[in-house]
Amino acid sequence: DQQVKQNSPSLSVQEGRISILNCDYTNSMFDYFLWYKKYPAEGPTFLISISSIKDKNEDGRFTVFLNKSAKHLSLHIVPSQPGDSAVYFCAAIRNGGGSNYKLTFGKGTLLTVNP
Amino acid sequence: ETGVTQTPRHLVMGMTNKKSLKCEQHLGHNAMYWYKQSAKKPLELMFVYSLEERVENNSVPSRFSPECPNSSHLFLHLHTLQPEDSALYLCASSQVVGSQPQHFGDGTRLSIL
Repeated sequence: DQQVKQNSPSLSVQEGRISILNCDYTNSMFDYFLWYKKYPAEGPTFLISISSIKDKNEDGRFTVFLNKSAKHLSLHIVPSQPGDSAVYFCAAIRNGGGSNYKLTFGKGTLLTVNP
Repeated sequence: ETGVTQTPRHLVMGMTNKKSLKCEQHLGHNAMYWYKQSAKKPLELMFVYSLEERVENNSVPSRFSPECPNSSHLFLHLHTLQPEDSALYLCASSQVVGSQPQHFGDGTRLSIL
């Protein structure tokens, strides 16, 4: 049973417009969320994160929103650029020591930004 | 050289072969991880090491054998693999176990004939 779901396998956006990538989770114990970006033939690279005590975190063109009641987070990229074309993975973790360090990943969404 | 380096990048092996994947991190981190990414599946955590001690073995078959000789190096020894073991194997590190973010290598693409 998938605890982190990215229901859109792909998304296509025009350059300069907003890209919105969505992620849903089922485990209410998750308290920290991350977005990773992956280019072909490269490993995932960390993009942005958010703690469950916040509902928004912004870093340049990237903003992550967290809606705890809906168990939903989203990544907004604005304006989108062709170089943003990659697979985006949502990940969640339950911090708290012990064995609570497992990052649970979604399957990823392939974003294509068209020039 | 910085970051997390994995070798080889690609590996093709028969089911009876023995091979090893290598991971090296130059970030001064104390935790290292092995992940498996199969087609159309999320990344799955396989092993976690903290200061050379195995912290987690996530129900991985014994044909995968990890080794962590020091906090900078991590190996995954492979023997008698099955075709379903074909996948991308990713190594990651973090400052300590559980700290975020984890830093990933570029992976080894493994194909079992």
